[in-house]
This record gives sequence, C-alpha cells and structure tokens, in this order.
Amino acid sequence: GVTQSPTHLIKTRGQQVTLRCSSQSGHNTVSWYQQALGQGPQFIFQYYREEENGRGNFPPRFSGLQFPNDSSELNVNALELDDSALYLCASSQGTGGLDTQYFGPGTRLTVL
Amino acid sequence: GEDVEQSLFLSVREGDSSVINCTYTDSSSTYLYWYKQEPGAGLQLLTYIFSNMDMKQDQRLTVLLNKKDKHLSLRIADTQTGDSAIYFCAERGASGTYKYIFGTGTRLKVLA
Repeated sequence: GVTQSPTHLIKTRGQQVTLRCSSQSGHNTVSWYQQALGQGPQFIFQYYREEENGRGNFPPRFSGLQFPNDSSELNVNALELDDSALYLCASSQGTGGLDTQYFGPGTRLTVL
Repeated sequence: GEDVEQSLFLSVREGDSSVINCTYTDSSSTYLYWYKQEPGAGLQLLTYIFSNMDMKQDQRLTVLLNKKDKHLSLRIADTQTGDSAIYFCAERGASGTYKYIFGTGTRLKVLA
C-alpha cells in the first residue's frame, strides 16, 4: 500500500518541512492533498514520471519531488499557521480515469 | 466552477439503510468516487462510477448517479456500527490535471 512519514509533526511559523510518501509498487503517479480539520482534501499537485503534471491553488512555497524508486516528497517553506492540516498522498498507476488514486494514512502537521 | 457539496451529518440505526447524498457542478466529470475515512486514518476507496452509468452495486453498496441533476448518492444496506466514519464523494476534474475534487464529507453515525 501507500505509506507516509512521519505520522505527526510539529513545526513553528517560518520553518520548512519535508513530508515523505512511498507509492504502491508500479504506480508512476503521485498526488498530494491538504485536508484541513473538518474539510475535504484539497488538491495540491500531481507528479507523473517525476514531472509536475498539474497544480491546485497553492502558492509556490509548496513544492514536490518524485523519485524513480516509488518515493516522493512534499516540501513546504516559510510555514504559516494555516498550513496546519493532514497531508495525504495518493498514488495511481497512471493519470487516466480508471487509474484510481489510493491514499496513504497521512501526515498530520501542526504549525505553532 | 468546481464544487462538490454534501450534507454534514447522518445518523441511522444499526440494520437500517443509509443514504449519503452529494451534488457536483462539473458536468464534464467522467468519474465519481466514494471514499471512507475513519478517525485518524487516510481515505479508503469504497467504489466509483463512470459518468455513463446510472447505477452500480457492490455488495452492500449501491451508487446512483443522476447526471442531469448532477446528483450522486451512496446507499449502504444493513448499516453496521463499523460503518461509522466520514464519507467523501469526489469527482475527477476534467480540466486535464486529473485531480480529484472532494466534498466536505458526511459524518455517518450508526446507533446500536
């Protein structure tokens, strides 16, 4: 399945954070979502074969990387209090409609 | 625009049927999904439906799609206490970025 690390993280305003995701084997697409408390997940961006394939309404201080070994990262610079949320990654075999996104358990980030 | 709406809460008695409703706005959506989220966990895919279908049944789950009204529903037969969770509907954005657009989630509480 899809795994994420760490499970929980506490940072302070202005710091930088890196969240990690390990995709399901054979999946070449990873998507990242931010889920604020009481809300549905919001799309941050998607990577396909190590290239950014699309981006939601998030500022450039949210960036990502995808590696050939089924792992990926979400980096957030200059953390703000509103960045506190559950961050979910989802992997899929491709970007087509039948390529269902399978989600990891998430990383809960708290910004103080 | 892109918007997916769901009612916030639903309470049912064990053994009854649950019906969770969702409305979406993007008429070009091709796939619609139902995910389940238990406390502290990521999203679990329950089922999906292609936009050219009216209904899909999968064991206790029945999905109904009214494309004209942009209305999607999930019926859970013989609801059990283990079904208590938050249920999200999601549409696959047709803008080319393959992102999923999620509703705010419906919290289902099953009373014993």
